[in-house]
Amino acid sequence: DSGVTQTPKHLITATGQRVTLRCSPRSGDLSVYWYQQSLDQGLQFLIQYYNGEERAKGNILERFSAQQFPDLHSELNLSSLELGDSALYFCASMGTENTGELFFGEGSRLTVL
Amino acid sequence: GEDVEQSLFLSVREGDSSVINCTYTDSSSTYLYWYKQEPGAGLQLLTYIFSNMDMKQDQRLTVLLNKKDKHLSLRIADTQTGDSAIYFCAESTPTGKLIFGQGTTLQVKP
Repeated sequence: DSGVTQTPKHLITATGQRVTLRCSPRSGDLSVYWYQQSLDQGLQFLIQYYNGEERAKGNILERFSAQQFPDLHSELNLSSLELGDSALYFCASMGTENTGELFFGEGSRLTVL
Repeated sequence: GEDVEQSLFLSVREGDSSVINCTYTDSSSTYLYWYKQEPGAGLQLLTYIFSNMDMKQDQRLTVLLNKKDKHLSLRIADTQTGDSAIYFCAESTPTGKLIFGQGTTLQVKP
């Protein structure tokens, strides 16, 4: 158990819909990262937050948005969903040690039909 | 740019050594990592190496870093069926994010 909690574990929805994925980082960790894992794209970095502020942005579509709340949990919002958005979405938090280790949640599997 | 590349698949027999290779582009990376993903699970850190080191050994795992060629490898000695998983190489960046390779699926045959 990494200490990072993601909900829901599985989600099935239709094209055009909007979903929200939730992540609680490990206790004491201030950074949250979101990654998308799909079969053809591998593990793609989406966005990083540190203590409520956006720190870095990766290959995140304009239809996607995220935020980190004062209690440090984070939400990833995916809207106008397309078939190609079907993937495993991982949240990770970074430990406070200087090694830069990421602790990953078990992921939210999104299926868009 | 930031890019990490790995071969996609490796098959070995139980008891053999496995070597998974990776190349990266960011020469300013402070740490380089190997993560393991078992079926249905998230990624878990296997080992890491500081960029000023050439080698790190941890039980059955040996990490070799060639900074000049930007090449990283992971050797697993006496590979077991429980080692079957996807192995990801990753590099750190100045902003703190990690860039991952596509992952190498290791298949261990009994």
